[in-house]
Amino acid sequence: EVQLLESGGGLVQPGGSLRLSCAASGFTFSSYAMSWVRQAPGKGLEWVSAISGSGGSTYYADSVKGRFTISRDNSKNTLYLQMNSLRAEDTAVYYCAKDQHIVVVPAAMFTNWGQGTLVTVSS
Amino acid sequence: DIVMTQTPLSLSVTPGQPASISCKSSQSLLHSDGKTYLYWYLQKPGQSPQLLIYEVSSRFSGVPDRFSGSGSGTDFTLKISRVEAEDVGVYYCMQGIHLPITFGGGTKVEIK
Repeated sequence: EVQLLESGGGLVQPGGSLRLSCAASGFTFSSYAMSWVRQAPGKGLEWVSAISGSGGSTYYADSVKGRFTISRDNSKNTLYLQMNSLRAEDTAVYYCAKDQHIVVVPAAMFTNWGQGTLVTVSS
Repeated sequence: DIVMTQTPLSLSVTPGQPASISCKSSQSLLHSDGKTYLYWYLQKPGQSPQLLIYEVSSRFSGVPDRFSGSGSGTDFTLKISRVEAEDVGVYYCMQGIHLPITFGGGTKVEIK
């Protein structure tokens, strides 16, 4: 059974940093691309970042480019999102999502989602 | 960026009655490989999103056959043939053909 468990969320001041983790199990982690998708309180879904199965290709939404870094450790079956220079508008539940393929596009498809971790950016 | 526009914003449906949600994309989602990368997700209250439909019309594993997807190019539809109480939540369409991956704004389905 595929399981994705996010951690690392919390309250951080504007300008601060946070690192999210997503521990994966139940599948061959390195064979699948992974993404982070966020949902601001009461709002819809917003794709944030993606990484190929090997980790060699990474992609970002314009809203986080230059501030967030996605990475993965295939030996630990873990996905990461390093978030720097955080802003109030980054406040959201962050989900990690497993793709169906090893590359991200053109067929990005999120077959499994974690339960999410809440990031609150406030002074 | 590809803009995904869903209508209606919300639906109130009597159990056993059908429901339909529209999703329009600002660009064609048909890839040169012949596939169309349009997906439907359901986010039940208090839960993470779950995949319902992939590539326009294929039901994901375990999805009841009362859910069906149709469409082509830029116009797509999700239909629920007979709504059940467990179908309440917010439905999102998503395109996976071009980065950034984008979602529709969501359609909230409630039971009358």
